[in-house]
Amino acid sequence: NAGVTQTPKFQVLKTGQSMTLQCAQDMNHNSMYWYRQDPGMGLRLIYYSASEGTTDKGEVPNGYNVSRLNKREFSLRLESAAPSQTSVYFCASSPRGTGNLKAFFGQGTRLTVV
Amino acid sequence: QQQVKQSPQSLIVQKGGISIINCAYENTAFDYFPWYQQFPGKGPALLIAIRPDVSEKKEGRFTISFNKSAKQFSLHIMDSQPGDSATYFCAASLKTGANNLFFGTGTRLTVIP
Repeated sequence: NAGVTQTPKFQVLKTGQSMTLQCAQDMNHNSMYWYRQDPGMGLRLIYYSASEGTTDKGEVPNGYNVSRLNKREFSLRLESAAPSQTSVYFCASSPRGTGNLKAFFGQGTRLTVV
Repeated sequence: QQQVKQSPQSLIVQKGGISIINCAYENTAFDYFPWYQQFPGKGPALLIAIRPDVSEKKEGRFTISFNKSAKQFSLHIMDSQPGDSATYFCAASLKTGANNLFFGTGTRLTVIP
């Protein structure tokens, strides 16, 4: 029972490089989320997808794009990485009708932009 | 601005003691208050949650106390164990919408044997 799987676990990028963080869930959940976690800031929502085929901005969407590839997969793309995007990124999913109240989180991707 | 204020930032408790983490909010539209537990290298996991129509909820050694008039809520961990050492986040949720969960800044709890 894998739950929410994120790849990669660690990544170092140079300023201006691009990359895609991958997320997949095997719980047949409708909704998926991307958060970033910074020291002293808690978790902040970047983007979410309430259902397959829809995506919406969260609290801190600037500098990111997302794709809900299918019901299982939700990717986060940094087109031109900046040092301010150094963070730990968490993907989460939740069942239909629960919003993100019953969210299950992945193990995170630690991204460093130098 | 931080929608949910959490304190303390870090906490050290002896084994068997009581750990207390406090949170406060301003938005009276919040109607669900969960606590998450996060171990190093792992994602947060839902620990316990409360709705504002009750003043206390207990699950095992974990208790949420809720004071609606003061707009404060707290997590009490009774008989704290070294295995409870983790970062704890409070959160508050609006009734509607998927973009509706706001987290506190976290408390790193260390329980020493």
